[in-house]
Amino acid sequence: SYELTQPPSVSVSPGQTARITCSGDALPKKYAFWYQQKPGQAPVLVIYEDSKRPSGIPERFSGSSSGTMATLTIRGAQVEDEADYYCYSIDTSDKRRGVFGGGTKLTVL
Amino acid sequence: QVQLVQSGAEVKKPGASVKVSCKTSGYTFTAYCMHWVRQAPGQGLEWMGWINPNSGVTSYAQKFQGRVTMTRDTSMSTAYMEVSRLRSDDTAVYYCAKDVKLEVAYNPWSWGQGTLVTVSS
Repeated sequence: SYELTQPPSVSVSPGQTARITCSGDALPKKYAFWYQQKPGQAPVLVIYEDSKRPSGIPERFSGSSSGTMATLTIRGAQVEDEADYYCYSIDTSDKRRGVFGGGTKLTVL
Repeated sequence: QVQLVQSGAEVKKPGASVKVSCKTSGYTFTAYCMHWVRQAPGQGLEWMGWINPNSGVTSYAQKFQGRVTMTRDTSMSTAYMEVSRLRSDDTAVYYCAKDVKLEVAYNPWSWGQGTLVTVSS
């Protein structure tokens, strides 16, 4: 089955740039989506279609995709950005199936 | 505004079944597919499946085929997800999430608050 691979953890100091990657063989052809999840809360979409930002999401969040890797970038990371981040895309073999990456714990301190 | 309100927490014994509901408002229920996603304690998000509320067509992750059933009641704008033959490793928070498309598992955009299902003898 199709898999998306993320690093388990990323750590930055406040004000630095955090980059979280997501690799998958189909990402050259399929969009990546990114979710932020804080403890005890439902996930929130922060990037859709590789690089678009939903309304209400701060401009410091951006996304990009090149080849088999998508990247979520948080410029000037703040303490409140500390959370788990998940990428999501469509299964290569069946567009009616989705798949999440394993998640990345972002620590900002 | 779009709202997805899920049913309350459940405690079940191994071997039993559980049915979680997701009542929607603020949009046309039959125009967008509905995903179900679960999260075991301390673990990541796991995509379970998807229902097209207009046609009732479903698509399940291979892991859940045969044990999970997704249905909907269009008159109530409500989606349902039932897990049968529960095991302890089904203990998780279960989320419904509305897509922005109807025919593909494109993008779970708006999420319910989650329903904790605990399986314990």
